[in-house]
Amino acid sequence: KAGVTQTPRYLIKTRGQQVTLSCSPISGHRSVSWYQQTPGQGLQFLFEYFSETQRNKGNFPGRFSGRQFSNSRSEMNVSTLELGDSALYLCASSPAGTKTSGTDTQYFGPGTRLTVL
Amino acid sequence: AQSVTQLDSQVPVFEEAPVELRCNYSSSVSVYLFWYVQYPNQGLQLLLKYLSGSTLVKGINGFEAEFNKSQTSFHLRKPSVHISDTAEYFCAPGEYGNKLVFGAGTILRVKS
Repeated sequence: KAGVTQTPRYLIKTRGQQVTLSCSPISGHRSVSWYQQTPGQGLQFLFEYFSETQRNKGNFPGRFSGRQFSNSRSEMNVSTLELGDSALYLCASSPAGTKTSGTDTQYFGPGTRLTVL
Repeated sequence: AQSVTQLDSQVPVFEEAPVELRCNYSSSVSVYLFWYVQYPNQGLQLLLKYLSGSTLVKGINGFEAEFNKSQTSFHLRKPSVHISDTAEYFCAPGEYGNKLVFGAGTILRVKS
């Protein structure tokens, strides 16, 4: 099976712009999670989608949003970019069922490196 | 909410020596624990996980970890490291909705 793919791999934007990142999960996986990785804050959970519904959300401002399509592909959007949004954004998928208590293995993509100037 | 502490930010070790990367967790509910590895410029890869049962968990690439409930620890070990093990290692409890709560990470530097 193909792994998790993320596009684009690298992105440069300027402050105030918005950006959309894309994630294609492993075939058959229904859950997609997003994480932000920065040198200062480490790896932080953004949100998780399952069956086109946001099921869990981290502690990020409303500028960060996401969605999931019927084929389980997911996008995340960051509006009004700030310098501090520069980070590696990682997407992970898992074959989660309707109930998940944190036991699922997540499979990560290579990430999208966003630089905000 | 769960939290995790990785006690060492960097661990230098010579090739073929044993290594232990330390992880302590804090939780009052059922604990599911993961170790992930991140090689330079790549995403994360699962090394091993503890869900229940045997407290000694074996993973890929010769790594193992022991779940210790009384000490709230889940330390990662390898008896003999290789240069290719140089990477950053993350301990993380899993929560509802596929949320992983990552520790700060430990950079393992294997020297020849």
